[in-house]
Amino acid sequence: DIQMTQSPSSLSASVGDRVTITCRASRDISTQVNWYQKKPGRAPNVLIYSASRLQSGVPSRFSGSSSGTDFTLTISSLQPEDFATYYCQHVYQTPWTFGQGTKVEVK
Amino acid sequence: EVQLVESGGGLVQPGGSLRLSCVASGFTFRQYWMAWVRQAPGKGLEYVDIIDQDDSRERSVASVQGRFTISRDNARNSLWLQMDGLRAEDTATYFCARILLSTDWVFDYWGQGTQVIVSS
Repeated sequence: DIQMTQSPSSLSASVGDRVTITCRASRDISTQVNWYQKKPGRAPNVLIYSASRLQSGVPSRFSGSSSGTDFTLTISSLQPEDFATYYCQHVYQTPWTFGQGTKVEVK
Repeated sequence: EVQLVESGGGLVQPGGSLRLSCVASGFTFRQYWMAWVRQAPGKGLEYVDIIDQDDSRERSVASVQGRFTISRDNARNSLWLQMDGLRAEDTATYFCARILLSTDWVFDYWGQGTQVIVSS
């Protein structure tokens, strides 16, 4: 199975900060990576698909990029509603595993 | 409006069984692959299994193979997860999700989840 190693596991940030979260795949998976936001008690919400494509309705402060087996989610200017946990997921071959998650907390 | 509503969770003893249901509305259910994803308390999201439009099973995560069975009924807009031989480590909130194929597969709509507790 392909493993997705996500870092950091948590970070503290302030409103307006630029936030970067990284996932590294255990092998080449092209650009088949999605990013989700999860808040307690709520369903996950897709932000980015195919490594860099913004899901419809998602604010443009969210962006994704890739380089080889490294994938990055960037929030350009953190907003109060962005404090949540973020997960990467590969969809290269089943099982489509998730990263361990990154909790973005208030600094 | 796309809606996915899970049910069937509850408290069950180790070794017991549960059948989770997910009823879909607001889209043509038979045209989409579907998935089950779970989240244990204080843990991250975990892929469980997916199923294509024709009820052909795809590959589940190793920890549930031989114990969990995913199925669907397109006439009833319903997805199920039959869980047998439940273990304490299966305790989690279980989400169903719709799978969209655009440039790649993506879980674009999710239900609110149903909680499963495995405990004696």
